[in-house]
Amino acid sequence: AQTVTQSQPEMSVQEAETVTLSCTYDTSESNYYLFWYKQPPSRQMILVIRQEAYKQQNATENRFSVNFQKAAKSFSLKISDSQLGDTAMYFCAFMKHFDSGAGSYQLTFGKGTKLSVIP
Amino acid sequence: NAGVTQTPKFQVLKTGQSMTLQCAQDMNHEYMSWYRQDPGMGLRLIHYSVGAGITDQGEVPNGYNVSRSTTEDFPLRLLSAAPSQTSVYFCASSYLWEVRAGQPQHFGDGTRLSIL
Repeated sequence: AQTVTQSQPEMSVQEAETVTLSCTYDTSESNYYLFWYKQPPSRQMILVIRQEAYKQQNATENRFSVNFQKAAKSFSLKISDSQLGDTAMYFCAFMKHFDSGAGSYQLTFGKGTKLSVIP
Repeated sequence: NAGVTQTPKFQVLKTGQSMTLQCAQDMNHEYMSWYRQDPGMGLRLIHYSVGAGITDQGEVPNGYNVSRSTTEDFPLRLLSAAPSQTSVYFCASSYLWEVRAGQPQHFGDGTRLSIL
């Protein structure tokens, strides 16, 4: 079974500064996908960024980028130029490749990091 | 295009009551799933379906039933509610090719369920 660990229950950052959220995972799979989801107080689950494990290049989406270290099983999220609208819970999630047998299609989530952006 | 619609948004039940949480999507997605989110936890998969007539268990299926008689709907049934089922429930859907390609799923806005 896969596990996802987010070691920072809460973090805060000043507006316009940069913050990095940590995520580690445990798996014996070689082919999988990793995600960061944002959950604002509205409760919606919003995809922030996605990474394919077979791609060495780190994914980026505007102000959001990841540091994917496959050997270390680490997948951290960097938010640059933090904005007040970034205040939310952030969840790291893992999904096996669909032909990996039992547990395919399942997203495994970490417990989340509550990020507060301070004006 | 309404996306993934969950009803109701909030519900309070008494222990032992039954309830069906509704999930509907209008995108002709083959894949649909139910997750629960407990305080201080990430989402955990309850049941999923890869098409009409096909369902399977996820990580935490006990106490829940599902069926998939149409492509559009994937209801989640609590036959005898227990306080441990107090949670926020999310439905998600995707095209099957999307989920097989590791593409993100489309989430509904969630149903907050409290069981007294």
